[in-house]
Amino acid sequence: AQSVTQLDSQVPVFEEAPVELRCNYSSSVSVYLFWYVQYPNQGLQLLLKYLSGSTLVKSINGFEAEFNKSQTSFHLRKPSVHISDTAEYFCAAETSGNTPLVFGKGTRLSVIA
Amino acid sequence: ETGVTQSPTHLIKTRGQQVTLRCSSQSGHNTVSWYQQALGQGPQFIFQYYREEENGRGNFPPRFSGLQFPNYSSELNVNALELDDSALYLCASSSYRGRVGELFFGEGSRLTVL
Repeated sequence: AQSVTQLDSQVPVFEEAPVELRCNYSSSVSVYLFWYVQYPNQGLQLLLKYLSGSTLVKSINGFEAEFNKSQTSFHLRKPSVHISDTAEYFCAAETSGNTPLVFGKGTRLSVIA
Repeated sequence: ETGVTQSPTHLIKTRGQQVTLRCSSQSGHNTVSWYQQALGQGPQFIFQYYREEENGRGNFPPRFSGLQFPNYSSELNVNALELDDSALYLCASSSYRGRVGELFFGEGSRLTVL
């Protein structure tokens, strides 16, 4: 069964510094990968997704993630974070065949002024 | 376009009671998935409904049950509540084209079991 591992439960970072949130998945078959963000007391919002094609995918607010099949990773990066990026970030994976989306345990990003 | 709405937003129950949580899916979506998010954890898949039929279930006991209605709205029912059922329950709707779907989440129903 598919599993998703987020290696860091909490990541503190200063404003305008770069950040990387790590994610590894288990399945070796075709996999679709997602990053969701959850702001306090809210539901999850899709940040970006990899379905096929270019291995580098980007969001509208400056985040990007790269699908690395050999490393089974889908790390999320941003070159310069803002206070407003403070949130919980979840990596998720879905294998082909209409299987349910499987989430990691989340990484809490805290941006410090 | 109306997003996913859930009700109630917060509720408190005692052990042994039963609870019903409701979800209205986003316009045009025919699939609803329910997730349980315990404090400090990622969402765990409970089950999914597609066109009023259960279409996949996670590792949850039978006292977790659901329904989907012709308008694609959905209910999650939990019987014989236990303390560990305290969590944020998230509903997500989607419209599957092909094999991969993107989930649109509601803000959740926070259940506290005392």
